[in-house]
Parts: sequence; structure tokens; C-alpha cells
Amino acid sequence: EAQVTQNPRYLITVTGKKLTVTCSQNMNHEYMSWYRQDPGLGLRQIYYSMNVEVTDKGDVPEGYKVSRKEKRNFPLILESPSPNQTSLYFCASYPLAGGPIDTQYFGPGTRLTVL
Amino acid sequence: KQEVTQIPAALSVPEGENLVLNCSFTDSAIYNLQWFRQDPGKGLTSLLLIQSSQREQTSGRLNASLDKSSGRSTLYIAASQPGDSATYLCAVKTGNQFYFGTGTSLTVIP
Repeated sequence: EAQVTQNPRYLITVTGKKLTVTCSQNMNHEYMSWYRQDPGLGLRQIYYSMNVEVTDKGDVPEGYKVSRKEKRNFPLILESPSPNQTSLYFCASYPLAGGPIDTQYFGPGTRLTVL
Repeated sequence: KQEVTQIPAALSVPEGENLVLNCSFTDSAIYNLQWFRQDPGKGLTSLLLIQSSQREQTSGRLNASLDKSSGRSTLYIAASQPGDSATYLCAVKTGNQFYFGTGTSLTVIP
């Protein structure tokens, strides 16, 4: 089954404690992305990657890091989380090479609370 | 920078009505436009995708149109049902990035 998985699904942490949210896809997609969703602001792109070892900033990259060492994985790292990073986070993948199903696939989301 | 707007922000209709959701974008240089559905606290489910060269796509009771030159898309839902209640999001791919609207929250009243 084609899917994007994220872990953990829920996380409560404290300010300054480093954390990593993992993302994995099984569709061999070149493009992967992280979004945050906040009330009234919609989904905003944090970082994206067009292939292994290639990452670029989205619209709200401050306070986040990513890496793409393998095609299937795209972890999101918060080195020193702050309360304003409390949000719902989504990972997504997309087939850059196109094909019959040219759509973004989304993970189930990670709800992060930073106290 | 691409900006995507969805109007109205919320909509409440009686069951059986046909309805139209609107999406507008500021930069017409899009690769594709996609409509998603999101249920409360859940992920995104893809409904329809329109390539920039296409004018519309249909799936069951859903029809999405695209007017790239005017920066507009509409999602038409026929014969609405209570199960259609959700937030509907549109997203455009411009360059290497995806831009989302803030969504329309739809409630279909039985």
C-alpha cells in the first residue's frame, strides 16, 4: 500500500529539548516536504527536498532543520523547540517524474505541543 | 510569492444542495492545482488534480474547474450529503513549491 508514515503522532515536550519527527515513504518519490498547519494560516511549507542530499527552504524554515540521506526518509529536526512551534505537522511526498498519479501524498500528521 | 485565497471561509448548506467552493491564486504560472479534503484532526485526502493545461476534472459528484489566466478554480459539489462535511483545501504547485489556501469549512445539515 502506498503510504507516508510519520512518527510520533503526538508529542508534548518542553522548550529547548531537541526532537526529531521521522517521515518515510514507500513510493520511491523524489520530492518530499514538511508543512505546518496553524488555525487561520493554512498549511505552510517548511522545507522540501527534490532528491537525496538536496534540500531547500520553504516559507517558514526558521527553527527547523532537515536532512535527506536516503530517498525514502526525510526527518524534521527541531534543535531548540519554542512554544511558537506548537502546531500540526505534515510530511508529504510527490512524484517529480510524473506518471498516472501526479499528486502529493500526505502522512497522518504529528501534533506537537511545546511547553 | 504565490498567494492562495479560499472564499468563503465557512459554508453551511442543507442536504441535497449543489454548492461551489472558490479558490484564487495570484501567480498564474502554476504547474497544477489540487483540491483536498481534511476531516477534523485528520490528514489530507486528495480529491481532484488539474494540470495547468486542463480546464476541468470530474470525479463522481465533484467537478473542479481551472481558469489559469484569471487565477481561479472552483470545486462544484452536486447533491451534497452530510458525509461531505469537512474542510476543503486547494493547493497550487508553482516552481518547486506548493502553496495552500486556508480552506473552506463545509457543513451539510441533514
